[in-house]
Amino acid sequence: KAGVTQTPRYLIKTRGQQVTLSCSPISGHRSVSWYQQTPGQGLQFLFEYFSETQRNKGNFPGRFSGRQFSNSRSEMNVSTLELGDSALYLCASSSKTDRGETQYFGPGTRLLVL
Amino acid sequence: GNSVTQMEGPVTLSEEAFLTINCTYTATGYPSLFWYVQYPGEGLQLLLKATKADDKGSNKGFEATYRKETTSFHLEKGSVQVSDSAVYFCALYYNQGGKLIFGQGTELSVKP
Repeated sequence: KAGVTQTPRYLIKTRGQQVTLSCSPISGHRSVSWYQQTPGQGLQFLFEYFSETQRNKGNFPGRFSGRQFSNSRSEMNVSTLELGDSALYLCASSSKTDRGETQYFGPGTRLLVL
Repeated sequence: GNSVTQMEGPVTLSEEAFLTINCTYTATGYPSLFWYVQYPGEGLQLLLKATKADDKGSNKGFEATYRKETTSFHLEKGSVQVSDSAVYFCALYYNQGGKLIFGQGTELSVKP
């Protein structure tokens, strides 16, 4: 099975712009979670989508939003970018097995805000 | 609230040395516990997991045991290699919550 894919891998934007990141989960996985990784704050949970519905949300401002499509692909959007949004954005997909749920991560999108 | 604490890095070892990276957690109920590894410039790779007390997860020579009495999930490997150099993250997870709670990560550097 192909792994989690994320596009683009690298992105440079300027303050005030908006950005959309894409994530394609492992085939058959219906849950997609997003995380932000920075040197200062570490790995922080943004939100999770399951069957096109946001099921859980982290403590981020409303500028961060997401959605999930019927094929389980997900996008996250950040509007009015700030310098502090520079980070590695990681997407993970998961499915439920008899051993519980396990999240599998993509390679990430590295966003630089200038 | 729920949280994970890892030993601070960087940890520097010689090849073939024994590795322990400490991880303790604070949680209610019965979360699953995970170790992920991140190589430079890459995303997170699942290393191993344990879903209940006394479970031992193992993979590629790494092991960790879910200890509920000490709320710990320490990562061990008997003989590290240069290729094990990476950042290791301990995390807890509640099924259907969709949210991994990570420790701060421990950087491991293995010298030949």
